[in-house]
Amino acid sequence: DAGVIQSPRHEVTEMGQEVTLRCKPISGHDYLFWYRQTMMRGLELLIYFNNNVPIDDSGMPEDRFSAKMPNASFSTLKIQPSEPRDSAVYFCASRFRGPLEEPGELFFGEGSRLTVL
Amino acid sequence: SQQGEEDPQALSIQEGENATMNCSYKTSINNLQWYRQNSGRGLVHLILIRSNEREKHSGRLRVTLDTSKKSSSLLITASRAADTASYFCATYYTGAGSYQLTFGKGTKLSVIP
Repeated sequence: DAGVIQSPRHEVTEMGQEVTLRCKPISGHDYLFWYRQTMMRGLELLIYFNNNVPIDDSGMPEDRFSAKMPNASFSTLKIQPSEPRDSAVYFCASRFRGPLEEPGELFFGEGSRLTVL
Repeated sequence: SQQGEEDPQALSIQEGENATMNCSYKTSINNLQWYRQNSGRGLVHLILIRSNEREKHSGRLRVTLDTSKKSSSLLITASRAADTASYFCATYYTGAGSYQLTFGKGTKLSVIP
């Protein structure tokens, strides 16, 4: 099993540029999550999908952020335009559905480290 | 806002010693999970404890949960240098209508050989 695959692992860009982060969840997983990790704020949930449908995007910081899941094996997180304060590590995670009242473990990718200059 | 808060923020011990990390949370939960993150890597699930459980073991890991105090602890026995990592507690909380896992800021553990 290849696990959750994220790309790119590192991205350095200039303020104002568009950034697209990609994620391939584990096959058969029903839920996909995007998290952002910074020293100041820790791990923050940005958005999550169930069966490709966005369920809760209340963590998306601004309209500059958007996420899509066109099919069960691919998701993107886009930032347009990017700003220096968007610099962080962005993680994608997935999990099986499981019982609704007992959500199970998340499987994380290795993250995409974004630096906006 | 953060649901779980770990304590201490950083811990340094000698190899062979036990390491204890604590987590406090604010609302009712379905379950509580502990994750490990090595530097520059993704998080890896360690153990899950349900709200009706009080203690759980997995290898050198022991997790306790006290729902009356809204707290949990993670004990790593006979620590090894390879245990050096950040450890996070995460909770699924009820009543939010949105089943998501909320993480604390973590405890950074250093095990000195």
